[in-house]
Amino acid sequence: EAQVTQNPRYLITVTGKKLTVTCSQNMNHEYMSWYRQDPGLGLRQIYYSMNVEVTDKGDVPEGYKVSRKEKRNFPLILESPSPNQTSLYFCASSPDRTGYSNQPQHFGDGTRLSIL
Amino acid sequence: AQKITQTQPGMFVQEKEAVTLDCTYDTSDQSYGLFWYKQPSSGEMIFLIYQGSYDEQNATEGRYSLNFQKARKSANLVISASQLGDSAMYFCAMREGANFGNEKLTFGTGTRLTIIP
Repeated sequence: EAQVTQNPRYLITVTGKKLTVTCSQNMNHEYMSWYRQDPGLGLRQIYYSMNVEVTDKGDVPEGYKVSRKEKRNFPLILESPSPNQTSLYFCASSPDRTGYSNQPQHFGDGTRLSIL
Repeated sequence: AQKITQTQPGMFVQEKEAVTLDCTYDTSDQSYGLFWYKQPSSGEMIFLIYQGSYDEQNATEGRYSLNFQKARKSANLVISASQLGDSAMYFCAMREGANFGNEKLTFGTGTRLTIIP
């Protein structure tokens, strides 16, 4: 089954304790992205990757890191989490766009982070 | 200015009625794509329908159709014969051609739809 898998689904942790949210896709997609969802703000892009070893900042990258060492994996790292990073996080993937295709982004089921 | 505007924070609709969820967008690109996603209470994001800026016909997928009015920059989602399972948050999103390489979706703030039995 084609899917994007995020772990953990839920995490409660404390300020300053490093954490990593994993994301893996089995569709051989070149493009992967992280979003955060906050009430009244919709989803906002944190970081994205167009392929292995190619990453770049999205709209709200402060306080986050990513890496893309393998095509299928795109972990999100919070080196020193703070309460304002409490949010619902989504990983997404899609094929590299040629022209203007109708390929939607496939989303993981989300990770709910609470930073106390 | 907001790139995607969804003006209906919440809607209540009787079961079996049709419902229209509004979405207007703002872009200077000639090439862009518009998407609708459904987010049930369980939290996952489910792709519903896509409309490309060069598509001449309105997109349809089963009970979902997209009323695309390019001159007005609107892309309203129409759900026919609503069902209880349609109760969810609905997001309109846009992918702009100028972001080539970054497939970023810009999302609206969403509309919470509740279907009443």
